[in-house]
Amino acid sequence: AQSVAQPEDQVNVAEGNPLTVKCTYSVSGNPYLFWYVQYPNRGLQFLLKYITGDNLVKGSYGFEAEFNKSQTSFHLKKPSALVSDSALYFCAVWGGSYIPTFGRGTSLIVHP
Amino acid sequence: ETGVTQTPRHLVMGMTNKKSLKCEQHLGHNAMYWYKQSAKKPLELMFVYSLEERVENNSVPSRFSPECPNSSHLFLHLHTLQPEDSALYLCASSHQLVNSDEQYFGPGTRLTVT
Repeated sequence: AQSVAQPEDQVNVAEGNPLTVKCTYSVSGNPYLFWYVQYPNRGLQFLLKYITGDNLVKGSYGFEAEFNKSQTSFHLKKPSALVSDSALYFCAVWGGSYIPTFGRGTSLIVHP
Repeated sequence: ETGVTQTPRHLVMGMTNKKSLKCEQHLGHNAMYWYKQSAKKPLELMFVYSLEERVENNSVPSRFSPECPNSSHLFLHLHTLQPEDSALYLCASSHQLVNSDEQYFGPGTRLTVT
């Protein structure tokens, strides 16, 4: 079985400050980890993924995520938040099955 | 846009109606998915198709019936729905049905069952 936890329903950050959206996972075997973003009235949009290799993954719009195997975490980060980053963020994990598992989502609110 | 389109964008239907949701992907992908998105809940995977064959039916009630006539099109046929079926229904595709491929999502159909 595989699972994803996004422990925060909402993250608030001031524009220009660094942001972190947390994700932890549980999976048998090697994890394949993804972050997606959803803007209002839109579908999910792929941001980045970890398959293998460097633990720090860089993605779209200046986002990056750090894979930590010992802590089974894959937190999403950005050095300087923009108001336009305000959206719903989903973490997802694929293990050895055909089925991806998504978290509940974290609402990111960036204040001007 | 992601190359995945869905119609209609909004649908209101009574519990006795029959309707269909349509999804089309213009990306040349071989795998397609239906998801249900409800507020404050994880995304629920409903159906998975690979090369037009269904490979997963995630314990979905029979009032939801998928159809994949070719690798570019996916339908979700609805009949005798319940109010709790009101949600955003998302279609997605990926290059292959492998766990290293990211998914591309359509904008969704907002379904309201009255």
